[in-house]
Amino acid sequence: NAGVTQTPKFQVLKTGQSMTLQCAQDMNHNSMYWYRQDPGMGLRLIYYSASEGTTDKGEVPNGYNVSRLNKREFSLRLESAAPSQTSVYFCASSEDKTYNSPLHFGNGTRLTVT
Amino acid sequence: AQSVSQHNHHVILSEAASLELGCNYSYGGTVNLFWYVQYPGQHLQLLLKYFSGDPLVKGIKGFEAEFIKSKFSFNLRKPSVQWSDTAEYFCAVNTGGFKTIFGAGTRLFVKA
Repeated sequence: NAGVTQTPKFQVLKTGQSMTLQCAQDMNHNSMYWYRQDPGMGLRLIYYSASEGTTDKGEVPNGYNVSRLNKREFSLRLESAAPSQTSVYFCASSEDKTYNSPLHFGNGTRLTVT
Repeated sequence: AQSVSQHNHHVILSEAASLELGCNYSYGGTVNLFWYVQYPGQHLQLLLKYFSGDPLVKGIKGFEAEFIKSKFSFNLRKPSVQWSDTAEYFCAVNTGGFKTIFGAGTRLFVKA
């Protein structure tokens, strides 16, 4: 049982380059999320998708776009990477609202923007 | 805006010592509370959660947490830590819906 799978695990970009982080879950969860983790700041929600076909902004959405491709997949796109986007990115899923159901996380993508 | 405060950023303990990690949140209404753990090189995973009922909740690996509503606190405890408990611990709060707010995390190092 793979759970939440993220690709790639590591990525180095130059300022201005674009890239897409991929995420897939095999738990038939309705909701999916993208968080970024920065030292001393915990995890901050970038975007989430309550259900297939919907996406909403989280706490720090600027500079990112997302696509809920189907129930399994939720991608995060950086259109023009900036050094401030250097971070570890985690995809997560939950059965329903995280008020009622806990988050299941992927292994993360470590992104460096130079 | 809601926030979560974890008092200790780094904690160093010897094996068999008792652990208590503090967590306070700022929100006056009903909350659901979580502790997540991230072992070195691994993803975050749920340690325990409080939704309602008994304010003392037990989680995996001997951890427990107590919800004290009057103090807006949800402290994590373990009577006797092991080297394998070395990890980063995150307190998290959800006040409704899909947005879970995380604290900054506490890095625990247990000396063998």
